[in-house]
Amino acid sequence: AIRMTQSPSSLSASTGDRVTITCRASQGISSYLAWYQQKPGKAPKLLIYAASTLQSGVPSRFSGSGSGTDFTLTISCLQSEDFATYYCQQYYSYPLTFGQGTKVEIK
Amino acid sequence: EVQLVESGGGLVQPGGSLRLSCAASGFTFSSYWMHWVRQAPGKGLVWVSRINSDGSSTSYADSVKGRFTISRDNAKNTLYLQMNSLRAEDTAVYYCARDPFGGNWFDPWGQGTLVTVSS
Repeated sequence: AIRMTQSPSSLSASTGDRVTITCRASQGISSYLAWYQQKPGKAPKLLIYAASTLQSGVPSRFSGSGSGTDFTLTISCLQSEDFATYYCQQYYSYPLTFGQGTKVEIK
Repeated sequence: EVQLVESGGGLVQPGGSLRLSCAASGFTFSSYWMHWVRQAPGKGLVWVSRINSDGSSTSYADSVKGRFTISRDNAKNTLYLQMNSLRAEDTAVYYCARDPFGGNWFDPWGQGTLVTVSS
């Protein structure tokens, strides 16, 4: 199985900050990567697929980049509603696997 | 509005069985692949199973293979997960999710149903 490793596991940031989360795959996955946001007690929400394609309705302050083994999710100007846990997911091969999550907390 | 509503969760003893359902509405259910993903309390997301649009092809995580069966009834717009030989480590919130293009990512997700395996 392809292992997905996110860093950091958690971070503290302030509203207006630029935040970057990294996701590394244990082998090359081309651009077969998605990002999700999950708030406490809620289902995950798709933000980005194909590594950099923004899902319809997702604010443009979210962006994704990378290919191969290294990927990033960037929030350009953190808003209060962005405090949540973020997961990457590879869909290059079965079993589909997620990173362990990055919790973005208020500083 | 696209909507997925899971049901069927609850408390079950180790070794027991449970069937989860996911009722779909707001889209042509029979055209989409569907998935189950679970999340143990306080833990991350784990993919469980996938079924293609007509039910002829399925995939499973190794941890559930041989114990869980995914199926669908396109006439009823409903996805199922039959879970047998349940273990304590199967305790989790189970989400159903639509696969937008058969690409193996998930959008949207249902609200989840909690399965607790305990004596």
